[in-house]
Order: sequence, then structure tokens, then C-alpha cells
Amino acid sequence: DAKTTQPTSMDCAEGRAANLPCNHSTISGNEYVYWYRQIHSQGPQYIIHGLKNNETNEMASLIITEDRKSSTLILPHATLRDTAVYYCIVTGVAGGFKTIFGAGTRLFVKA
Amino acid sequence: DGGITQSPKYLFRKEGQNVTLSCEQNLNHDAMYWYRQDPGQGLRLIYYSQIVNDFQKGDIAEGYSVSREKKESFPLTVTSAQKNPTAFYLCASNPDMNTEAFFGQGTRLTVV
Repeated sequence: DAKTTQPTSMDCAEGRAANLPCNHSTISGNEYVYWYRQIHSQGPQYIIHGLKNNETNEMASLIITEDRKSSTLILPHATLRDTAVYYCIVTGVAGGFKTIFGAGTRLFVKA
Repeated sequence: DGGITQSPKYLFRKEGQNVTLSCEQNLNHDAMYWYRQDPGQGLRLIYYSQIVNDFQKGDIAEGYSVSREKKESFPLTVTSAQKNPTAFYLCASNPDMNTEAFFGQGTRLTVV
């Protein structure tokens, strides 16, 4: 399974866009990029996923580079409730969902 | 409401005792998973099941056991062989292994 690298922590001002990067340089052609977040002491929550194209839903946007070696999760207008740990994982047909979650990025949204 | 339920939320056990954590889902999902999370760490996969009556070891299966007798249920037993059982345990499910997963709210196990 492809591995991911994320910054340990990031800050963002409330109301501004939060851009969370993820490197996945060993990703293979059939592997998807998934993003989840975990608010303290709760179960992770699915945010968005993509294969090649950029994706957008009501929560966030996902930008995947053309070579697919990195991606960025964008929260367009961060609120205090977006303070959480954000996990970027890569999974595919072979690996399924048994990819290990890394430590993720701890996002602090400040008033 | 459809969802995945873990119980209890907090569990205390004495060292040397086996304990079983419950995970139930009414989402009609085929695949179910158990993860362990230690403070400040990511999630580590203990066991997963793609279909009823079948399950596979994850990365840290030693000291744990599971069963999958019903589609909606995937209980995890933490045995006395698990050296450091105190942790936050998360159960998840998805329709198959290549779609988004839904997580329960977790069980915090403390062994004293």
C-alpha cells in the first residue's frame, strides 16, 4: 500500500481557507486518495476522495496533482468546529481499506 | 437511523481478564474493521472482515480475536495475551473494501 506524508500540525484563521497538503509519491494507478477527519475522542468522519480529477462536495475540495504524487484538501471557509486531525490515506483494489492511517495533520482553527 | 454502534463507550477491566467489545451496524455493509488508537497516534488495523464467516488479521492482531457470525455484528475480544490493552478502539464498516468507511464512536478500554 502506498504511504502518505502530512505535516504534523497547521493553523488557520477562522473564515479563511485551510489548505492541507499530502504527499503520496508511491501511489499506483488504481489507488484512490481518501481524506478523513477525527475530532477529539470521536470516530473518524469521511470527507472526500478522488482518483485523478479534482473533486468537490459540501464539505471540501480535493486537488490532485497531474502526476498524482500529492494532493491538497481545501476547507474553503474554516470554522472553529473544523479543528480536528485530518488523515490522508491511499487505498485501492489490491489494498482495499486495510491501509494504515498515519498520525495525520492536527488543524487548529483560531478565532 | 442507519449507523454503526459501539458499546460500551468506556470499559474498565482488571489485568488478566478477557473483554469483548461490541460493534453493530444496520447499514447492510459487507466489510467491517477494528482499529486501535493510542494517544496522539493514528489508527492501526487489528482485524477486518470482507464477508460473513470470514475475517483476516490486520497489522496488530496478536492478543485479539474476532468473529463474524452475522453480517451486522463484528465483536472484538481483547485477550489476556494482549500486553498493552489500554487504548481507544474503533470499529468501521463499508459496502466493500474500496468505498468510504463509516466509523463508530469508539470504546475506550482501560485495564488496571
